[in-house]
Amino acid sequence: EIVLTQSPATLSLSPGERATLSCRASQSVGSYLVWYQQKPGQAPRLLIYDASNRAAGIPGRFIGSGSGTDFTLTISSLEPEDFAIYYCHQRSNWPFTFGPGTKVDIK
Amino acid sequence: EVQLVESGGGLVQPGGSLRLSCVVSGISVSGNYMTWVRQAPGKGLEWVSVVYAGGEIHYGDSVKGRFTMSRDNSKNTVFLQMKSLRPEDTAVYYCARGPNLDVWGTGTTVTVSS
Repeated sequence: EIVLTQSPATLSLSPGERATLSCRASQSVGSYLVWYQQKPGQAPRLLIYDASNRAAGIPGRFIGSGSGTDFTLTISSLEPEDFAIYYCHQRSNWPFTFGPGTKVDIK
Repeated sequence: EVQLVESGGGLVQPGGSLRLSCVVSGISVSGNYMTWVRQAPGKGLEWVSVVYAGGEIHYGDSVKGRFTMSRDNSKNTVFLQMKSLRPEDTAVYYCARGPNLDVWGTGTTVTVSS
């Protein structure tokens, strides 16, 4: 099973600041890496697929990058609605897996 | 508009069984890749199972041999039959569409407790 490690576990930032979230895979997943945002009481929301492609309706401040084993989600300037938990997900090898999440909270 | 509506959750004793349903509208389940994902209370997301358009099915290690995913094309519904349930299966169970899980249902809650 491919293990995804996300860091940091928690990121405390202010609106307008830049957020950099990391996802590392225990073996290569190519570009089959997906990012989701989840807010309390809600289902996850697709942000980025295939490592760097923004999903429909996702603002340009969300930027995905990386390939192989190292991936990054950057939020260029945090908006109040961006404070949430972010998960990465690999769909390269079965069983597919999720990372443990990074919580972005308000400083 | 694609919509996914899960149902079938509830309280069940350890060792019991439950069948979850995900009714899909706006797309055909037979032509799509459908996934179950769960989330234990206060925890992260866990991938459970997937059925491909061609019918191939795969499971997560923690549910393999106990859970069975299936679909009924005539009802445009996917199912998750869960047996030998354990307290650690307690979670909100979501179904989602596609290889990138671009559409999610609102989830159904399963509680395994005596």
